[in-house]
Amino acid sequence: AQSVTQPDIHITVSEGASLELRCNYSYGATPYLFWYVQSPGQGLQLLLKYFSGDTLVQGIKGFEAEFKRSQSSFNLRKPSVHWSDAAEYFCAVGAQGNEKLTFGTGTRLTIIP
Amino acid sequence: ETGVTQTPRHLVMGMTNKKSLKCEQHLGHNAMYWYKQSAKKPLELMFVYSLEERVENNSVPSRFSPECPNSSHLFLHLHTLQPEDSALYLCASSRAVYSGVSSEQFFGPGTRLTVL
Repeated sequence: AQSVTQPDIHITVSEGASLELRCNYSYGATPYLFWYVQSPGQGLQLLLKYFSGDTLVQGIKGFEAEFKRSQSSFNLRKPSVHWSDAAEYFCAVGAQGNEKLTFGTGTRLTIIP
Repeated sequence: ETGVTQTPRHLVMGMTNKKSLKCEQHLGHNAMYWYKQSAKKPLELMFVYSLEERVENNSVPSRFSPECPNSSHLFLHLHTLQPEDSALYLCASSRAVYSGVSSEQFFGPGTRLTVL
């Protein structure tokens, strides 16, 4: 069975600073990996996904993530955060041939001026 | 309407009530999902429908009853709920899995359910 760990429950960064949110997964084969963002009172919005190919994937809102098979990681990065990036971020892993996604517990991002 | 819509957005019900949550997707997808999101817990997958057939039922109590009349609509019928069922219920849709190719899920805004 697949699993996802997001080790940071809450991260605070200054506006304009760089950001990295960590995600580690456990899955026996090549995983499908996703990052979603959730603003208060809203559903989840897909930021980016990795299915195959280039291990560095670009997403919306200036985010990117890198799949590192050797470290079982799929960390999310942004070079310069904006106040509007404050939200909850979820990493998810999917299995090939299966609609089921397994989500991490999320990382809440706070932006300070 | 575009994307995935859910109604109502907020629902307060007593433990003896019967209510239904509705989800509609306008994306041409053929797989739909119900998730439960509680504070400080991972998103819990409740039900999956693919091509209008239920393919996943994650040991959800029978007081939750899903219905998928067609590929665009999904319902969650609720009866005799408990206070611990209070949560945000999210609906999602995607393309169904064909030949092992998965697809990303698109989420609705959720229904905030409070059980008194």
